[in-house]
Amino acid sequence: SQTIHQWPATLVQPVGSPLSLECTVEGTSNPNLYWYRQAAGRGLQLLFYSVGIGQISSEVPQNLSASRPQDRQFILSSKKLLLSDSGFYLCAWSVRRRQGDQYFGPGTRLTVT
Amino acid sequence: AQSVAQPEDQVNVAEGNPLTVKCTYSVSGNPYLFWYVQYPNRGLQFLLKYITGDNLVKGSYGFEAEFNKSQTSFHLKKPSALVSDSALYFCAVRGVPPGTYKYIFGTGTRLKVLA
Repeated sequence: SQTIHQWPATLVQPVGSPLSLECTVEGTSNPNLYWYRQAAGRGLQLLFYSVGIGQISSEVPQNLSASRPQDRQFILSSKKLLLSDSGFYLCAWSVRRRQGDQYFGPGTRLTVT
Repeated sequence: AQSVAQPEDQVNVAEGNPLTVKCTYSVSGNPYLFWYVQYPNRGLQFLLKYITGDNLVKGSYGFEAEFNKSQTSFHLKKPSALVSDSALYFCAVRGVPPGTYKYIFGTGTRLKVLA
């Protein structure tokens, strides 16, 4: 069966520090991968999605970047965190070649202080 | 603009009563519609989806949803609510624009089931 992992689960970082959140998927190949941010426990904002290694689409111009160095690995980064980067970050995957479901990881709670 | 709307921020229902969480959409073409549930500090869990076929879709934990093309709605329902159903519910549409892999999510509806 497929599993999606995110780490760390929680993170507290000072303003101006770098960020690296990691997401990995097991049990499937060639997945679509997504990064979302959820602010204040409500709506989801799509940040990035990827349909293959090195292929990243950015949805919202911001302080963050994403990379996909391996087929089942998706990384969210920042060189300098802002207070507004605080939130709950969710990674998700879906099957690429059919209209399939999207499966979410457990999330990372980021607090920028 | 293509969008998904969940008009209620919160829905309160007594345990044992039927529940409805509303969702309307505005997309071009045939929509692929989904419902997800989120418990506190957790990721989203898939509940059910509509791709094509029968307008009444049955999903996990006794939930079902009715696709209504004329009203562009996809309301989530359950005949008898449980306290454990209390959570945040998201409606989503996939393939916006058509043929892409993007999903658009509603803003979420918090369901509170009262004992």
